[in-house]
Order: sequence, then structure tokens, then C-alpha cells
Amino acid sequence: DQQVKQNSPSLSVQEGRISILNCDYTNSMFDYFLWYKKYPAEGPTFLISISSIKDKNEDGRFTVFLNKSAKHLSLHIVPSQPGDSAVYFCAASPANNNDMRFGAGTRLTVKP
Amino acid sequence: NAGVTQTPKFQVLKTGQSMTLQCAQDMNHEYMSWYRQDPGMGLRLIHYSVGAGITDQGEVPNGYNVSRSTTEDFPLRLLSAAPSQTSVYFCASSAEGNEQFFGPGTRLTVL
Repeated sequence: DQQVKQNSPSLSVQEGRISILNCDYTNSMFDYFLWYKKYPAEGPTFLISISSIKDKNEDGRFTVFLNKSAKHLSLHIVPSQPGDSAVYFCAASPANNNDMRFGAGTRLTVKP
Repeated sequence: NAGVTQTPKFQVLKTGQSMTLQCAQDMNHEYMSWYRQDPGMGLRLIHYSVGAGITDQGEVPNGYNVSRSTTEDFPLRLLSAAPSQTSVYFCASSAEGNEQFFGPGTRLTVL
């Protein structure tokens, strides 16, 4: 039973354009949402997070949007750069709890 | 700081063998976790710990044991390896239980 779903296994965008990665969740107890980026043969690295009391969090080129009623979050990357090409994982957990659940990941390719 | 370190990087086992995957962190983090990554499945939580002496099961704990005798170390033991345990294993740690720092992974093959 996958509680965090990333329905697009891959996404390809042109350099300079916006990348939008989507994530859906089913567990209403999730209170904290994160995005991780992973390059081949490396561990995931934290990118950006949002708590359920907010609907938007921005960090440079990266913005995460949370729609609690729809149980949906998205990551926007503007402008996209070739170095952003990686697998992006969405993750969620109850507040102050280490029982984190990950989506299956979306492979983003940014073409020069 | 070395961050989160994992050993070995690669391992091949025969069915039925046991082994321990090592994980250590030097950031004085209370929270540590083990995940496995399989194609099309993302990362799945095996076990986690919220502090020395405290461990709990995640999504896929069967066939694995953990212990947390110190803040720094969180070894994962495979009791009797099976081909279904072929995977890439990641250890992670965090200070607040949410923004985790991951190790480089151990690629395990069980024949």
C-alpha cells in the first residue's frame, strides 16, 4: 500500500523552462513533506520541505506547493538547468516522527 | 565531518548467509533509519531509531534486525539472506526526525 505516489516516472524539459514534479499522498496523518534529489550511485540529498500549516515554500529556484484538501504537492523548478537532471523523490511523515514514506521517484532530464 | 558513512559499498552473498551492514554518523543525530531502494519502488523504510536503545519497525522489517547501542552507530543485520533482499540499502540520520542526511549506499546482491 503505497501512501506516497509519484505517477510520472519521467519528465523531460528544455533548459530555462519550468519543471513541475507532482506527488500525491493518501495518509491524512502526514504533516511534513519533503523533496529529495538523487544522482546515480549517490544517496538522496534534501532539497526543500513544507509543513502542513503552509501551502507554499520557496528556496531560490525551487518552490514546493501543498494542497492539503487534494492531498497533493508539487515541486516547481524555475528556470531548469541541465545540472537539475536527477531522480526526485517526494517524501512524507507525521510531525516529529521518523516513519517517513517515499514515492517511487520521477527522473527529470533537462535538455540544453 | 564525514557525515553518514556506510560499509561495505558492495557485497555479494549466497542464500542463507548472514551479514551486517554498517552505518555511522558523526553529526550527533538522534534519529537514524535504514531504507532499501528497489526499481520502481522508491525508498522503503526498514527500521528506524529515535535514539540510543530505541528502535522501531518501518514498512518492510521482515528478515532484518537492528540495534542502537550508541548515538553514532546503527547496524543492519540480515539474518538469513534471500534473493528478495537484493537491493541498494541506504542509511540516514537527522537531528529532528525529518530532514535526513543519507549515506552513499550499499549495493547488495544475494545469489
